[in-house]
Amino acid sequence: GQSLEQPSEVTAVEGAIVQINCTYQTSGFYGLSWYQQHDGGAPTFLSYNALDGLEETGRFSSFLSRSDSYGYLLLQELQMKDSASYFCAVRDSFNDYKLSFGAGTTVTVRA
Amino acid sequence: DTGVSQDPRHKITKRGQNVTFRCDPISEHNRLYWYRQTLGQGPEFLTYFQNEAQLEKSRLLSDRFSAERPKGSFSTLEIQRTEQGDSAMYLCASSSMMGLVGNEQFFGPGTRLTVL
Repeated sequence: GQSLEQPSEVTAVEGAIVQINCTYQTSGFYGLSWYQQHDGGAPTFLSYNALDGLEETGRFSSFLSRSDSYGYLLLQELQMKDSASYFCAVRDSFNDYKLSFGAGTTVTVRA
Repeated sequence: DTGVSQDPRHKITKRGQNVTFRCDPISEHNRLYWYRQTLGQGPEFLTYFQNEAQLEKSRLLSDRFSAERPKGSFSTLEIQRTEQGDSAMYLCASSSMMGLVGNEQFFGPGTRLTVL
């Protein structure tokens, strides 16, 4: 089966940096994705890592270490609009496009 | 608007009734996915289609659940003899073979089902 673990909640102030860790135990591994979901909204894609290393997209960066079965999402220069739930998700093979999601991390940004 | 759309957005039904949800994916996307999400959890995979072919079904999908994508465009998810445990947000997503190694999924707003 698939198992993804991430912290349930993180609180930080505007302008701060937050790191959301994700460890996974899956039957296979092809890539790690991150999605953002605002309360009552649809999940939206943030980033994808298939290879080890850091991917940077504006204020958000994502890191993957395949040997450690670990990744993280880094949110920099936090803004109030970043208050949302963040999910890591694993795609477990080249031919299988479904995603297995973690339970999500609720990020609360305070003024 | 060219995003993924779902209908209805909300459905309240009595236990034992049948319900059907519709998903219209982004027009050029050939893959379509159904997920279920309960409060405080991430989306759980239910099933997915490549064009009109249903390629995989989760063990979560009991015999009461059926999904179709008859012409490789819109899809329907039907739940027969609903149970209170079926209450959840049902999310549809689509993706393109060409997008980001085929990995980026675009989600619709979901259909929130409440079974009384």
